[in-house]
Amino acid sequence: GAGVSQTPSNKVTEKGKYVELRCDPISGHTALYWYRQSLGQGPEFLIYFQGTGAADDSGLPNDRFFAVRPEGSVSTLKIQRTERGDSAVYLCASSSRGLDRENNAYNEQFFGPGTRLTVL
Amino acid sequence: GENVEQHPSTLSVQEGDSAVIKCTYSDSASNYFPWYKQELGKRPQLIIDIRSNVGEKKDQRIAVTLNKTAKHFSLHITETQPEDSAVYFCAASQAFNKFYFGSGTKLNVKP
Repeated sequence: GAGVSQTPSNKVTEKGKYVELRCDPISGHTALYWYRQSLGQGPEFLIYFQGTGAADDSGLPNDRFFAVRPEGSVSTLKIQRTERGDSAVYLCASSSRGLDRENNAYNEQFFGPGTRLTVL
Repeated sequence: GENVEQHPSTLSVQEGDSAVIKCTYSDSASNYFPWYKQELGKRPQLIIDIRSNVGEKKDQRIAVTLNKTAKHFSLHITETQPEDSAVYFCAASQAFNKFYFGSGTKLNVKP
């Protein structure tokens, strides 16, 4: 089946502009995560949704960043007044919690291909 | 909050040798530790994970060990092959909420 998709794949914008990044999770996945990955670094947690609500948004760097998931499926990450330091690859991941054969909670994250944001 | 440190940042091995990557974490409440492989320009993919109720897990040439007391966990790859070359990330999570990632290890397997 289809994996996690993200659009656009690349976004170039000017400092001060507003951008929206979209994530389409795997159908039926209730959990959705946004990360930011700078060159040579690991993914940095931004926000986590369980269903429609943001269960944890403590990773958002400041109030210029906001994310929504109104129907519990597609999510949009919104960045206002972009700054050059916002340039990075923005990754989305989705997962579906369950129990494995040993009755342990199971939650494999499937990542999207990312959106490369460049702020000039 | 959680702090995950990973080393080495780069690792070069000869094909057929073993590779070991180590991570430490700071939050004793973390109970799930996945490892991801990321090839150049591609998305991270889960290769193995371990929960805090076990000390070791193995899947073919890949194994992960966890020492909860010392708060460290390691990835072991045996009989390395050129296709194992990639960047590997460790991560730590408490109850699958936030995931904290290490800074990555670039593994180069020389033929």
